Amino acid sequence: NAGVTQTPKFRILKIGQSMTLQCTQDMNHNYMYWYRQDPGMGLKLIYYSVGAGITDKGEVPNGYNVSRSTTEDFPLRLELAAPSQTSVYFCASSLGAGRSSYEQYFGPGTRLTVT
Amino acid sequence: QKEVEQDPGPLSVPEGAIVSLNCTYSNSAFQYFMWYRQYSRKGPELLMYTYSSGNKEDGRFTAQVDKSSKYISLFIRDSQPSDSATYLCAMSARSNYQLIWGAGTKLIIKP
Repeated sequence: NAGVTQTPKFRILKIGQSMTLQCTQDMNHNYMYWYRQDPGMGLKLIYYSVGAGITDKGEVPNGYNVSRSTTEDFPLRLELAAPSQTSVYFCASSLGAGRSSYEQYFGPGTRLTVT
Repeated sequence: QKEVEQDPGPLSVPEGAIVSLNCTYSNSAFQYFMWYRQYSRKGPELLMYTYSSGNKEDGRFTAQVDKSSKYISLFIRDSQPSDSATYLCAMSARSNYQLIWGAGTKLIIKP
């Protein structure tokens, strides 16, 4: 079991460029999440998905888009990158609703710098 | 005011000491309380989970929730250098997907 994998590990983008952060889980989890982590700010939820074909906004969705065509994959799209999107991005998954939604399994993160 | 407040540290203690990590919160509707541990350059991993008030123990770790004071704690007994990490508290108002996270406390255990 690889768990949650994310690619790339690091990326530098120029202002206005676009990119997709990839996330895959092999645990057959229904719920998946995208967070960003800024220094001293904790984790902020960007988007989440409760199953294939179902996505919804979290706390900080502006400037991002997601899709979930399969149970395993949950890519995050950045359009028109801005310096404010410089952050560490984590993908996570959990089995389902209730208590199991609190046991979230995280990927290793993608460190993104926008200059 | 943030919904969840957590001192970022760093907190540096000698090996073998008892460590106390804390979070305060403002939303009285929070019922589910978690502690996650995050090693440097890694994703967080769930350490402890508590529902409502009370204590929960797991080996050297004890999680405590005081809803009347809106205060949660994580105690680490016989601390080891391998406990050096950032500890994040997280909480939720109901049984759903969305966790509200503290900023994390960086803990350093000196050999």
